[in-house]
Amino acid sequence: GAVVSQHPSRVICKSGTSVKIECRSLDFQATTMFWYRQFPKKSLMLMATSNEGSKATYEQGVEKDKFLINHASLTLSTLTVTSAHPEDSSFYICSARDFTKETQYFGPGTRLLVL
Amino acid sequence: QKEVEQDPGPLSVPEGAIVSLNCTYSNSAFQYFMWYRQYSRKGPELLMYTYSSGNKEDGRFTAQVDKSSKYISLFIRDSQPSDSATYLCAMSVVAGGGNKLTFGTGTQLKVEL
Repeated sequence: GAVVSQHPSRVICKSGTSVKIECRSLDFQATTMFWYRQFPKKSLMLMATSNEGSKATYEQGVEKDKFLINHASLTLSTLTVTSAHPEDSSFYICSARDFTKETQYFGPGTRLLVL
Repeated sequence: QKEVEQDPGPLSVPEGAIVSLNCTYSNSAFQYFMWYRQYSRKGPELLMYTYSSGNKEDGRFTAQVDKSSKYISLFIRDSQPSDSATYLCAMSVVAGGGNKLTFGTGTQLKVEL
């Protein structure tokens, strides 16, 4: 299957700092990428849809000024958690749409811990 | 009522057993159905993708969709300890690639030796 990578795989940061997470599609071009958040033993919650070259579409209740998304190329989308707080600690997962196939492929996730 | 309901388990079966995992949904607009497998602390991995009622088989996995009952299933034959993971059903209104997926909560499966 298609490969999607995320970096870093885990990050620990201090409260008030910003953290950037990268999502890359390694062997296909992704016009659309999605960012999810997953709490322990819970399902994935869609945060936003990222389209290459345009502004991201955020789901209701997700602060766009706190979770900055940039999709500058067909293989890279970034999520920046600004002024992180302990309640932002979570598992963040991206997925990328392979437009030649009708499905999404997920990255391995990034575990964020805010102290 | 959640759009997609899935029993969280945990479900524990002996090695070699046939496993049945199920989801029900309320939105009749859902047309595309997927099953993902997620190992602990990893991203979901696509197992099966279907868009019509009926069965689709891939190796030890069979996906079944009954749109009239709004019910989908994933069967795992000859289950192995390596199948121990959380299984998530997901569905979308249009072709799943470019559209929002609605996930079930996931069923935690443990296959014991």
